[in-house]
Amino acid sequence: EPEVTQTPSHQVTQMGQEVILRCVPISNHLYFYWYRQILGQKVEFLVSFYNNEISEKSEIFDDRFSVERPDGSNFTLKIRSTKLEDSAMYFCASSGDGYQPQHFGDGTRLSIL
Amino acid sequence: AQTVTQSQPEMSVQEAETVTLSCTYDTSESDYYLFWYKQPPSRQMILVIRQEAYKQQNATENRFSVNFQKAAKSFSLKISDSQLGDAAMYFCACQTATGANSKLTFGKGITLSVRP
Repeated sequence: EPEVTQTPSHQVTQMGQEVILRCVPISNHLYFYWYRQILGQKVEFLVSFYNNEISEKSEIFDDRFSVERPDGSNFTLKIRSTKLEDSAMYFCASSGDGYQPQHFGDGTRLSIL
Repeated sequence: AQTVTQSQPEMSVQEAETVTLSCTYDTSESDYYLFWYKQPPSRQMILVIRQEAYKQQNATENRFSVNFQKAAKSFSLKISDSQLGDAAMYFCACQTATGANSKLTFGKGITLSVRP
């Protein structure tokens, strides 16, 4: 069964540095999402992406965050000037259309030191 | 905006028994989808079951079934014949829009333990 893959599984970065989290959605999917889960808390929506542009973003997704689909297969989340509070599990998800369930990757654990 | 509430932080069930996990939600939309996702210790997010709000029939998926009470905005998950592998965090989620803005709103989750 096709799946969403995320790399790396764990990323450790110094505060203030930039980090890029990578995702390869399921190949025929058109809708892409990033979610965040701080340890012990609920999963929170960050951003949705369709047709090469952001469809919706939450208040968490401030101007330090950006997303890109550079080559038609990868979907990346970049965080500039990282803060301690960015430490969390980041999940990428994709769906074939807006009516289909979202399939999640295994997540990237981001640790900011 | 929609909200999802899971008021029980944890539950425990004996192996082979049945357990019900509760969830309530609130939305002003007439059309929406409800989901239960499972998150084992590996922290993957695995879709368990999905319910379309316009369908009156409760969704079932093998040992998993839901009790969808639309008027009460309640969406509980029943796990029958519980297995050790069912031990995980379970999240209830709501999706009120479709297309490009179809984000999921999650509850806080419930930790289910299964006693051998």
